[in-house]
Amino acid sequence: RKEVEQDPGPFNVPEGATVAFNCTYSNSASQSFFWYRQDCRKEPKLLMSVYSSGNEDGRFTAQLNRASQYISLLIRDSKLSDSATYLCVVLLPNAGNMLTFGGGTRLMVKP
Amino acid sequence: DVKVTQSSRYLVKRTGEKVFLECVQDMDHENMFWYRQDPGLGLRLIYFSYDVKMKEKGDIPEGYSVSREKKERFSLILESASTNQTSMYLCASTAYSEAFFGQGTRLTVV
Repeated sequence: RKEVEQDPGPFNVPEGATVAFNCTYSNSASQSFFWYRQDCRKEPKLLMSVYSSGNEDGRFTAQLNRASQYISLLIRDSKLSDSATYLCVVLLPNAGNMLTFGGGTRLMVKP
Repeated sequence: DVKVTQSSRYLVKRTGEKVFLECVQDMDHENMFWYRQDPGLGLRLIYFSYDVKMKEKGDIPEGYSVSREKKERFSLILESASTNQTSMYLCASTAYSEAFFGQGTRLTVV
């Protein structure tokens, strides 16, 4: 079983739609969680950190469920520019701050 | 505002050449990582380092070595480049609650 798992997609949605991605992690010692966005042929860039209380940044909402060991990303009112791959990243502080990545979920927003 | 810098954006090398990919971070992070990213395979860890002169193998270390002589610099070395090492290489550095990536080096081995 992979340490961090994501549905690879692609998720094809129309503009204006709401779309949600989930990411499950296997190591209960994981403490920091992030969503990164990666555009084609570019490096991943931080979209948002995920806090225990959940957090929202404009159209984006991230949630953490420690009991079930998953994090989620909700995108409301999708824009064409949201088309990208979204990577779930987990940081393990007891393993040298090891980064563990999900395989990424590809989102394609269509006009 | 650059935090993690990789020495080259694009690189073309010949089979058998020794290749150096450099990564420098300016955040005083202790932990640095090298990944390669290939279509359909996601990000795969090659090597990481949690301190100067310390290194640990990742999931796919074969054909690679690394060097960390200074805290800010983590080098990936392809001892004898092969065509199956054509890929996008990403460097990252982390502290407790943050992680940053370099811009990536697209290496083509011909």
